[in-house]
Amino acid sequence: AQSVSQHNHHVILSEAASLELGCNYSYGGTVNLFWYVQYPGQHLQLLLKYFSGDPLVKGIKGFEAEFIKSKFSFNLRKPSVQWSDTAEYFCAVIDTSGTYKYIFGTGTRLKVLA
Amino acid sequence: DAGVIQSPRHEVTEMGQEVTLRCKPISGHDYLFWYRQTMMRGLELLIYFNNNVPIDDSGMPEDRFSAKMPNASFSTLKIQPSEPRDSAVYFCASRDTVNEQFFGPGTRLTVL
Repeated sequence: AQSVSQHNHHVILSEAASLELGCNYSYGGTVNLFWYVQYPGQHLQLLLKYFSGDPLVKGIKGFEAEFIKSKFSFNLRKPSVQWSDTAEYFCAVIDTSGTYKYIFGTGTRLKVLA
Repeated sequence: DAGVIQSPRHEVTEMGQEVTLRCKPISGHDYLFWYRQTMMRGLELLIYFNNNVPIDDSGMPEDRFSAKMPNASFSTLKIQPSEPRDSAVYFCASRDTVNEQFFGPGTRLTVL
């Protein structure tokens, strides 16, 4: 079965620190990849997505992610985090040749200290 | 478009009562998903529909849970009878085939 792994469950950073959250997926076929963010008390919102083309994807609020096919990875990065980035981050993949169901990772809770 | 609409936003009920959660997907989206989120289990997919047809309900925890999608603009998730362990935030989401999935604001359910 397909799976998405987010190895960092909790991350605590100080403001201005750099961020990298890991995401690995198991499926070897054509995939569409996503990062979603959930701010406290809110619903999930799209940060960025990768379908094809340039493997370095830029999203909202200064986030970017790099798709590395050989490593089955889609890590999320931000060079300088802010207190307002405190949230939970979910990586997700769609198997575009199968069920078209989203497979979400377990999420990473980021806390940014002011 | 107003996005995915869910109602009610908050529901407090007593154990044993029937609970019905409602969702209106974004017009034109042919996939609809119901998720449950708790601190202990995180985000769980309960069931999803494609063109109003249930495709995968393997995430539905037990027979007390049922979901319907009578038409392209409306879906319900029903819990009967409800139990305290059903307390969670229930999200509905919709999307077209491979694009971005849009989540509703969620229904926070508390079963006393």
